[in-house]
Amino acid sequence: QKEVEQNSGPLSVPEGAIASLNCTYSDRGSQSFFWYRQYSGKSPELIMFIYSNGDKEDGRFTAQLNKASQYVSLLIRDSQPSDSATYLCAVGGSQGNLIFGKGTKLSVKP
Amino acid sequence: KAGVTQTPRYLIKTRGQQVTLSCSPISGHRSVSWYQQTPGQGLQFLFEYFSETQRNKGNFPGRFSGRQFSNSRSEMNVSTLELGDSALYLCASSEGRGNTGELFFGEGSRLTVL
Repeated sequence: QKEVEQNSGPLSVPEGAIASLNCTYSDRGSQSFFWYRQYSGKSPELIMFIYSNGDKEDGRFTAQLNKASQYVSLLIRDSQPSDSATYLCAVGGSQGNLIFGKGTKLSVKP
Repeated sequence: KAGVTQTPRYLIKTRGQQVTLSCSPISGHRSVSWYQQTPGQGLQFLFEYFSETQRNKGNFPGRFSGRQFSNSRSEMNVSTLELGDSALYLCASSEGRGNTGELFFGEGSRLTVL
């Protein structure tokens, strides 16, 4: 069964620090990778996607992909209390769906 | 542009009953995917509809079914409800297939089975 694994956390970082969120996936044929943010009581929203090996930066967010190691990560620089949420890693499945990890809960302390 | 609309937002049913949930995607989006979210299992894929055709189905029993209409609106139905069906059901729409681009999620329908 194709799986996406994340540490459930909670991951606690002080305000202004770098938060590092990690994800591994089992399907070596996966081609698309996504990070969603879900605030408590809200629905997930896309914050980053990456298709190629390497880094992709968008503002304070950097997604990193290593297909050989089947590893995706999300770095959040200058973390803010408003970044406190659950971060879901998702991988594009071969049959048209996204396979989600169970999420990492991030807490940014002022 | 209006977002993804799901109705009803909350509902309570008893075991053995059936339920129908509705999803209106973003205008122009042809793909609608349904996910079940529970604290223990996270987001699990139910099915995807694209241009009125079910393109993919997750590992759920046949009690879970869905359909998509010509205007891209989608419904999912759960028959013979079980306690374990209590969950948040999320609908997501996208322009293309659900594994290639951004999924826009609705606020969800929270089902409680007593």
